[in-house]
Amino acid sequence: DAMVIQNPRYQVTQFGKPVTLSCSQTLNHNVMYWYQQKSSQAPKLLFHYYDKDFNNEADTPDNFQSRRPNTSFCFLDIRSPGLGDAAMYLCATSRTDRGNAEAFFGQGTRLTVV
Amino acid sequence: KNEVEQSPQNLTAQEGEFITINCSYSVGISALHWLQQHPGGGIVSLFMLSSGKKKHGRLIATINIQEKHSSLHITASHPRDSAVYICAPRGSNYQLIWGAGTKLIIKP
Repeated sequence: DAMVIQNPRYQVTQFGKPVTLSCSQTLNHNVMYWYQQKSSQAPKLLFHYYDKDFNNEADTPDNFQSRRPNTSFCFLDIRSPGLGDAAMYLCATSRTDRGNAEAFFGQGTRLTVV
Repeated sequence: KNEVEQSPQNLTAQEGEFITINCSYSVGISALHWLQQHPGGGIVSLFMLSSGKKKHGRLIATINIQEKHSSLHITASHPRDSAVYICAPRGSNYQLIWGAGTKLIIKP
């Protein structure tokens, strides 16, 4: 059974229309990550939550926001998607209180902006 | 200079060959992940290690913390092993620092 679930798998949105991507986990992991991956590039970390503490990467555009209402769910909000935001968005989780905890990844949401 | 260097960037081999992918990093880390990404985007964590060696089936991962180097080995490679393999050390702030990946193609 999938442990990190991203919805939807594919999202088409209009230029400038706000969109929300969701990630849920059944692992009770305290760290959740959002990555953006464009074609043939390594994933780029947008932000991560360590418990409720939000950590934003310095070069993440203000257009990208995130919410984590509880341990299980994390959302990525793109306030005004541009054509350049079309990418695969990956959610990942890990657990820090066990030292050597692995990261688990969702299948990703492929965002198309039209 | 990138914080994580993987080599080779691309590797094509025949089925059955022994495969080695190398990863060197320049930052202090708490652990290092080896990840596999198939076409279509799904990422699977193969290993997470902070010392020594781990083995899962035909896959072996090693790490030398002092030398800041890790290797991923695939024994008896198979076409289904074709994927992008990514080295991702985990920094002190729990963020994963991604290598550029190694695109592996195993031909029958």
